[in-house]
Amino acid sequence: LAKTTQPISMDSYEGQEVNITCSHNNIATNDYITWYQQFPSQGPRFIIQGYKTKVTNEVASLFIPADRKSSTLSLPRVSLSDTAVYYCLVGDSPNTGFQKLVFGTGTRLLVSP
Amino acid sequence: DAGVIQSPRHEVTEMGQEVTLRCKLISGHNSLFWYRQTMMRGLELLIYFNNNVPIDDSGMPEDRFSAKMPNASFSTLKIQPSEPRDSAVYFCASSKYPDRGGNTIYFGEGSWLTVV
Repeated sequence: LAKTTQPISMDSYEGQEVNITCSHNNIATNDYITWYQQFPSQGPRFIIQGYKTKVTNEVASLFIPADRKSSTLSLPRVSLSDTAVYYCLVGDSPNTGFQKLVFGTGTRLLVSP
Repeated sequence: DAGVIQSPRHEVTEMGQEVTLRCKLISGHNSLFWYRQTMMRGLELLIYFNNNVPIDDSGMPEDRFSAKMPNASFSTLKIQPSEPRDSAVYFCASSKYPDRGGNTIYFGEGSWLTVV
């Protein structure tokens, strides 16, 4: 079971770029890296997913080095509404091939004016 | 398209009562996950199904908890009898497997359970 480690909390100001790094030293060959965002009183919401190198969408970018033992979620020019908990997940691929997604503690991002 | 639909959104019940939480999957999805979230333990995976078959229920805390998928689009999570320590937010999530790329799951809004 691939475990992830990420900072418990981060603080930022509006307009800044925020980078949240996640460690996953035991990532398996078939595993994808997925990030979710959770606002208070809501379920987690998919942000971005990648396997290697760089992935970018309208919300964020995901940087994955060649060894895939870590990944960095980059949020450009954050706003107050980006205050949330961000989870890094790595797919667990048992013999069935089915990816069981286990959430870690997440990173609590607080964006201040 | 409608997302994952959970009911009830909020429930307050007395210790010892039976609690049933319900979940409707996103149309076309074939995998179903039940998670529980508390401040102390974070998001815990309780059980997940693929094509109506329970794949892993190792996260179910004890025999008081049971989950079923009576059909491909619907699931229930039952707690009988309920205890105050079961108070939590219970999330249902669904996905389509296999899917291109990694497994992306979509969460409902959660059922907020308080057992007094």
